[in-house]
Amino acid sequence: TQLLEQSPQFLSIQEGENLTVYCNSSSVFSSLQWYRQEPGEGPVLLVTVVTGGEVKKLKRLTFQFGDARKDSSLHITAAQTGDTGLYLCAGQGGSEKLVFGKGTKLTVNP
Amino acid sequence: GAVVSQHPSRVICKSGTSVKIECRSLDFQATTMFWYRQFPKQSLMLMATSNEGSKATYEQGVEKDKFLINHASLTLSTLTVTSAHPEDSSFYICSARAWNYGYTFGSGTRLTVV
Repeated sequence: TQLLEQSPQFLSIQEGENLTVYCNSSSVFSSLQWYRQEPGEGPVLLVTVVTGGEVKKLKRLTFQFGDARKDSSLHITAAQTGDTGLYLCAGQGGSEKLVFGKGTKLTVNP
Repeated sequence: GAVVSQHPSRVICKSGTSVKIECRSLDFQATTMFWYRQFPKQSLMLMATSNEGSKATYEQGVEKDKFLINHASLTLSTLTVTSAHPEDSSFYICSARAWNYGYTFGSGTRLTVV
């Protein structure tokens, strides 16, 4: 069974600070996705990474896929209150199913 | 972009009744649809995978007779929670996938069984 360990589970920071969220696994994934979810809504895709070592940037968000395609990170620079939400990583292995991490509840305080 | 519509967004039902949740892909044909359950402050738990015209594949521990899934067409899948009980109260989310669209999630359904 493929598992994704996501950390930290909770993160409360001040506006302007930087943060990094990690997703780690002992399994290899063909692709890994990062989602953001607001309360009472479905997850919204932020990025998909497919190549080992790949780095993608989305404004202040930087996503990295590990060389071995077993881990990924999300780095947010100069966090804003609007970044508050639940961040989820999800990996796709050998089937169509997505394996989700447990999520990181980010709170950015003004 | 790909859009998945999920209805209703909220439903309250009495214990013992059944509730149907619809998931529609609005602008693409979904080869596969997925149903998830999410408990408060937790991640998504996959319940079942369904392909159009075939029986759904349920994850271990999910009661197929309680959570009936019908994938009648390439744009519609339904989840029926039968004989609902308070412990079935949860946030249910569907996702649809097409080969060129990746995964798109619905906005979720908050089910409360009283």
